[in-house]
Amino acid sequence: DIQMTQSPSSLSASVGDRVTITCRASQSITTYLNWYQQKPGKAPKVLIYAASSLQTGVTSRFSGSGSGTDFTLTISSLQSEDFATYYCQQSSSIPRTFGQGTKVEI
Amino acid sequence: QVQLQESGPGLVKPSGTLSLTCAVSGGSISSSDWWSWVRQPPGKGLEWIGEIYHSGTTNYSPSLKSRLTILVDKSKNQFSLKLTSVTAADTAVYYCAKVLVVQGGSFDYWGQGTLVTVSS
Repeated sequence: DIQMTQSPSSLSASVGDRVTITCRASQSITTYLNWYQQKPGKAPKVLIYAASSLQTGVTSRFSGSGSGTDFTLTISSLQSEDFATYYCQQSSSIPRTFGQGTKVEI
Repeated sequence: QVQLQESGPGLVKPSGTLSLTCAVSGGSISSSDWWSWVRQPPGKGLEWIGEIYHSGTTNYSPSLKSRLTILVDKSKNQFSLKLTSVTAADTAVYYCAKVLVVQGGSFDYWGQGTLVTVSS
């Protein structure tokens, strides 16, 4: 199985901050990396697919980069609605695996 | 717009079988996408369970494979999950989701999730 490791596990930030979350795969996944946002009591929502492509309807505050084993999700200017938990997920091979999550708090 | 809706018992006894169905609307289960199950124990992260293609081809998580069956019913545009010999560790919110292959294999549509508790 490909292990996905996110850092940090949680972070505190303020509205307007630039926030960066990293995700590392245990082996190369080229660009088969997706990012999700999950708010309490809700299903996850895809933000970024294929490492850097913005999902239709998602604000351009979110961006993704990386390839191989190291990836980054950036929120350019944190807004109140962005406080949530973020997960990376690899789709390079079965089983599809998720990172452990990064909770973004005020 | 595709919509997914999970249904099934919210309480299952230990050693019993957990059975859930995901009804798909607004799209065909015979499309060129995979249909997946993901679960989330209370307060924890996401775990991929398995997936099925409309042909009936499946992929399962190795950790659950011995207890897991995922089936598709094209006539009803739905797919289902059966997990046998459940324990408290199987208590979780269970989501069904669509895997969009052409977009990096991302889960682009999700059900609202259903909490299944394993308890006597």
